[in-house]
Amino acid sequence: QKEVEQDPGPLSVPEGAIVSLNCTYSNSAFQYFMWYRQYSRKGPELLMYTYSSGNKEDGRFTAQVDKSSKYISLFIRDSQPSDSATYLCAMSEGYGQNFVFGPGTRLSVLP
Amino acid sequence: GAVVSQHPSWVICKSGTSVKIECRSLDFQATTMFWYRQFPKQSLMLMATSNEGSKATYEQGVEKDKFLINHASLTLSTLTVTSAHPEDSSFYICSASQGASSYEQYFGPGTRLTVT
Repeated sequence: QKEVEQDPGPLSVPEGAIVSLNCTYSNSAFQYFMWYRQYSRKGPELLMYTYSSGNKEDGRFTAQVDKSSKYISLFIRDSQPSDSATYLCAMSEGYGQNFVFGPGTRLSVLP
Repeated sequence: GAVVSQHPSWVICKSGTSVKIECRSLDFQATTMFWYRQFPKQSLMLMATSNEGSKATYEQGVEKDKFLINHASLTLSTLTVTSAHPEDSSFYICSASQGASSYEQYFGPGTRLTVT
């Protein structure tokens, strides 16, 4: 079993839809949870960061962490074609510890 | 702020030759730099962590003699792929962190290496 699993997609949705992206993990020591967005041929950029369990909202993006289920989610409201990218989840055991990445989910938002 | 550049963005080289990739933090001092590799449809895999002035720490399975990392200053780290082979063809991405933690990393745009 991989340490971090993520549905690779591709996921295609119409413009304006609510998108749900998810990751599951096996290491209960993970405390820091990140979501990155990567456009084709570009480096990843940090979208959201959450420590431990709970929800965090930033504009159209909401990140949720459920440590009891070892499950994290990223929700995108009112999705736009510019949201079309690969979304990677990443996790870390602690401050200063290296990340473990999921394989990424490719999202296409159709106009 | 917090811009990281990489050079070159794309390189093609012949099998057996060496290739150097530069990673620069343009507007901040990077205490720590990370090198990742991404194969098509795969996630980023950490190759090594380098702290300025120290030897790089390589992840298990990454050959330190093949992937030479130098972090000579607080704004520059280089990755040299020595005696490159076609299986080394990949997307190499660096990231830089201002502090001792790896939490807030700023990623470079990546370098696409093709070995023929």
